[in-house]
Amino acid sequence: EPEVTQTPSHQVTQMGQEVILRCVPISNHLYFYWYRQILGQKVEFLVSFYNNEISEKSEIFDDQFSVERPDGSNFTLKIRSTKLEDSAMYFCASSEQGTSFWPQHFGDGTRLSIL
Amino acid sequence: AQSVTQPDIHITVSEGASLELRCNYSYGATPYLFWYVQSPGQGLQLLLKYFSGDTLVQGIKGFEAEFKRSQSSFNLRKPSVHWSDAAEYFCAVRGQGAQKLVFGQGTRLTINP
Repeated sequence: EPEVTQTPSHQVTQMGQEVILRCVPISNHLYFYWYRQILGQKVEFLVSFYNNEISEKSEIFDDQFSVERPDGSNFTLKIRSTKLEDSAMYFCASSEQGTSFWPQHFGDGTRLSIL
Repeated sequence: AQSVTQPDIHITVSEGASLELRCNYSYGATPYLFWYVQSPGQGLQLLLKYFSGDTLVQGIKGFEAEFKRSQSSFNLRKPSVHWSDAAEYFCAVRGQGAQKLVFGQGTRLTINP
């Protein structure tokens, strides 16, 4: 069964540094998402992306964050000037279509640790 | 705005026993509802979804869930749990036309042998 793959599985970064989290969505999917889960808290939506544009974003997704689809297969989340509170598990997801009943398929996540 | 409440943070059941995990949602119209499972060190796997039609939906791994509009609930059930069902379970809602999933806090399931 096709999977969403995320790399790396664990990223350790010094506070203030930039980090790029990478995702390869399922190949025929058109909609891409990032979520995060701070330890002990809910999974939170960050951003959705379609046709090379952000289609929806949360209040968490401020100027510190950006997303990009640099080629036909990768989808990246960049976090500039990382802060301690950015430490979390980051999940990438994709769906075949964007309407509400199309399920989102998640990767295994990248655990980001900011020191 | 949508919201989801999973009242039980942690549930322990014996292997072979039945299971019900509770989920209550808040949304003004007909919601799109999902249950996901997260095994340790893994991502979120879709168990089942509901968006219309029969209010009892079947999913993978022997799970089912029932949508009850009058109670704003979408509880997950399994008649007989296996040790491999130990995991964290998340209920999620998506509004009509919305991109984002809104998740509950999750329920951690422990299975006693």
